[in-house]
Amino acid sequence: GENVEQHPSTLSVQEGDSAVIKCTYSDSASNYFPWYKQELGKGPQLIIDIRSNVGEKKDQRIAVTLNKTAKHFSLHITETQPEDSAVYFCAASRVGSARQLTFGSGTQLTVLP
Amino acid sequence: DGGITQSPKYLFRKEGQNVTLSCEQNLNHDAMYWYRQDPGQGLRLIYYSQIVNDFQKGDIAEGYSVSREKKESFPLTVTSAQKNPTAFYLCASRLAGGEYNEQFFGPGTRLTVL
Repeated sequence: GENVEQHPSTLSVQEGDSAVIKCTYSDSASNYFPWYKQELGKGPQLIIDIRSNVGEKKDQRIAVTLNKTAKHFSLHITETQPEDSAVYFCAASRVGSARQLTFGSGTQLTVLP
Repeated sequence: DGGITQSPKYLFRKEGQNVTLSCEQNLNHDAMYWYRQDPGQGLRLIYYSQIVNDFQKGDIAEGYSVSREKKESFPLTVTSAQKNPTAFYLCASRLAGGEYNEQFFGPGTRLTVL
């Protein structure tokens, strides 16, 4: 089955700096890669996703890149703000799979004022 | 106001007792999922259901049971056979059929075994 590894497990940045979180996956058939943000005591929320037919996607301060050959994808947050502090999860999925998502272990991002 | 609701938010249980966690959605989603979350770990799939009256085991189904009698409801029972049930439990749903449909999560239930 699919295995997703996520690094780092914790990340602290100064407000205004950029943050990068990286994930690798094992199943070359995976073709959908969402990123979720989880605030303390709440359920995860989708913040951005990428499909295997594109290499990069941006949404304001957030971007995701995908390298299918190396089987890794990354989340980039620019101009970080205190409200970006949360746990971020990557996931991988093969379209058509009923299980849909395999998650990474999460990254605790702390943005220091 | 559409969404996924989980109840209760906090639940305490004595060892040896079964307990049922509620999950309801009014999004008209076909698929529903239960995940377990432990500190420092990702979400691990317990059970999932694609249609009413049908469900499949995930990676850590031992000690858990589910039912799917209605499209909008997918309750999870944590049985006394679950060796380490203290965790944060998340329910999710998804509109089946689309290739890249988002999985929506509920707010979670924190279960503590005393």
